[in-house]
Amino acid sequence: DGGITQSPKYLFRKEGQNVTLSCEQNLNHDAMYWYRQDPGQGLRLIYYSQIVNDFQKGDIAEGYSVSREKKESFPLTVTSAQKNPTAFYLCASIATAANYGYTFGSGTRLTVV
Amino acid sequence: AQTVTQSQPEMSVQEAETVTLSCTYDTSESDYYLFWYKQPPSRQMILVIRQEAYKQQNATENRFSVNFQKAAKSFSLKISDSQLGDAAMYFCAYRSQLGGTSYGKLTFGQGTILTVHP
Repeated sequence: DGGITQSPKYLFRKEGQNVTLSCEQNLNHDAMYWYRQDPGQGLRLIYYSQIVNDFQKGDIAEGYSVSREKKESFPLTVTSAQKNPTAFYLCASIATAANYGYTFGSGTRLTVV
Repeated sequence: AQTVTQSQPEMSVQEAETVTLSCTYDTSESDYYLFWYKQPPSRQMILVIRQEAYKQQNATENRFSVNFQKAAKSFSLKISDSQLGDAAMYFCAYRSQLGGTSYGKLTFGQGTILTVHP
């Protein structure tokens, strides 16, 4: 079945450590997105990518980095510069930017220990 | 930049009753799309209903319907005959017109937790 796979489901990070969240889709979707979810703040856009080798900052990109070397993959790195990384992270994709059939992954819960 | 506001952090309803969740948004655009997403405890995002701004007719999907007031920039969700399975966090979301330079970005409200009492 086609869909988005996010891994791991739970991730623990030590202070000062970089961690990478995986997002893989087999839907042949062009556009991919990373959102962060905090209680009481809804989902906020971190980064998005419309095509391979191209991505743009969202509303809260500081402390995060991404790459889009393959159409299927859009990993998110949470760097040590992100001072409050504990949150739930959701990846999403759509066929093209001219589409509204979003598919969401099941999310990664990141906790700083 | 567009903003979406959900002023009800929590709502509750009795099973089989009707509940309305509120959403307002701010935009200078005339063509856009609005969504309601449901996030159950599994945290999987599920599309409930979608409204195109150019359509005057309110969208309906089975027990779910919206009241879209474009001039007032209001987009409320009505759930009729509420069921226990409707209990979830509900998010209102906005996106600009298809194919625009926003690349399909969704702007979400803060969410409303809906509790359904048996």
